[in-house]
Amino acid sequence: EVQLVQSGAEVKKPGESLKISCEASGYTFTNSWIAWVRQMPGKGLEWMGIIYPGDSDIRYSPSFQGQVTISADKSINTAYLQWSSLKASDTATYYCARRVGTNLFDYWGQGTLVSVSS
Amino acid sequence: QTVVTQEPSLTVSPGGTVTLTCASSTGAVTSGNDPNWFQQKPGQPPRALIFSTNNKHSWTPARFSGFLLGGKAALTLSGVQPEDEADYYCLLSYGGTHVFGGGTKLTVL
Repeated sequence: EVQLVQSGAEVKKPGESLKISCEASGYTFTNSWIAWVRQMPGKGLEWMGIIYPGDSDIRYSPSFQGQVTISADKSINTAYLQWSSLKASDTATYYCARRVGTNLFDYWGQGTLVSVSS
Repeated sequence: QTVVTQEPSLTVSPGGTVTLTCASSTGAVTSGNDPNWFQQKPGQPPRALIFSTNNKHSWTPARFSGFLLGGKAALTLSGVQPEDEADYYCLLSYGGTHVFGGGTKLTVL
């Protein structure tokens, strides 16, 4: 059974760093892409970027390029999303999702709520 | 910056039929944009419904169908059930990156 299990909720202050995770199981991690999606409170879904753990090919949305870093550790079947300096506007729920091939999004993680406040 | 536009809200009666659409600021949506559709209920992660324009996942109810219509991607729900009340998002592909539509809030009333 394919599963994407995300790390728990985080409460941070502006300026702090953060790395959240998405652990995959039930399939060959290096054969599919993992996307990251932001959902700000009460708002819609925003596509942030995507990584292919097989060769660490990464594509960022122009809106998020330079704002976050996407990575993966294929030895532990885990993808990451990280910030070097959080802002209050980073407060949101972040989801990971699997993409098979070029066009099939199927399984999603449960979401990680990140709250940034002074 | 590419913008993908959906109807902000739609209302449908139980048992009725409704079509949601997804338009691209770059021009007509084609099969090359690989439209995906997702359903999201409050407090839950999105659930995939349709990929590559018109293909259903194994868990997608038969009443959901995707297609291209007048230069847009479209999702039709036939025989709407109360549990179909949710937010629906399309996702379009643009050469390796993707953009979500703003979402449609579907009310079943």
